[in-house]
Amino acid sequence: EAQVTQNPRYLITVTGKKLTVTCSQNMNHEYMSWYRQDPGLGLRQIYYSMNVEVTDKGDVPEGYKVSRKEKRNFPLILESPSPNQTSLYFCASSQRTSFPVGGGELFFGEGSRLTVL
Amino acid sequence: GENVEQHPSTLSVQEGDSAVIKCTYSDSASNYFPWYKQELGKRPQLIIDIRSNVGEKKDQRIAVTLNKTAKHFSLHITETQPEDSAVYFCAAIDYNQGGKLIFGQGTELSVKP
Repeated sequence: EAQVTQNPRYLITVTGKKLTVTCSQNMNHEYMSWYRQDPGLGLRQIYYSMNVEVTDKGDVPEGYKVSRKEKRNFPLILESPSPNQTSLYFCASSQRTSFPVGGGELFFGEGSRLTVL
Repeated sequence: GENVEQHPSTLSVQEGDSAVIKCTYSDSASNYFPWYKQELGKRPQLIIDIRSNVGEKKDQRIAVTLNKTAKHFSLHITETQPEDSAVYFCAAIDYNQGGKLIFGQGTELSVKP
């Protein structure tokens, strides 16, 4: 089954304790991205990756890191989480590396709800 | 860069009525406009999209219209059903930022039986 898998789905942590949210897709997609969803703010992009070893900042990258060592995996790293990073996080992938003339469907993971105390 | 504004933020309709959600965008170069539906506790999923070479696209009870001159597009849901209750996101491409997708703020639709 084609899917994007995130882990953990739920996490409560404390300020300053490093954590990693994993994301894996089995569709051989080049493009992967992380979003955070907050009430009234929609989906805001944190980081994205066009392909292996190619990553770039989105709209709200502060406090986050990513890596793309393999095509299928795109982990999100919070080196020193703070309460303002409490949010619902989504990983997404697409077979298009960008959205040129045609556009392309984004496939989202199930989401990871993170609470930072 | 691209700015996508979505209205209303919440919408409540009676079952069987129609629902309309509107979005405006700022980048006249945008040419791809998808709509995503997110049911409670679930992931966003693409329900319909439209490209700039057409003004309207329909898929059963849902339709999207696009007015490129005015830079706005709308989602229309007819004969609403309780299972249409969800958060809906519009999006547009930001070519000034390498062609990435910019999402609207979301509309929470509630269909009352």
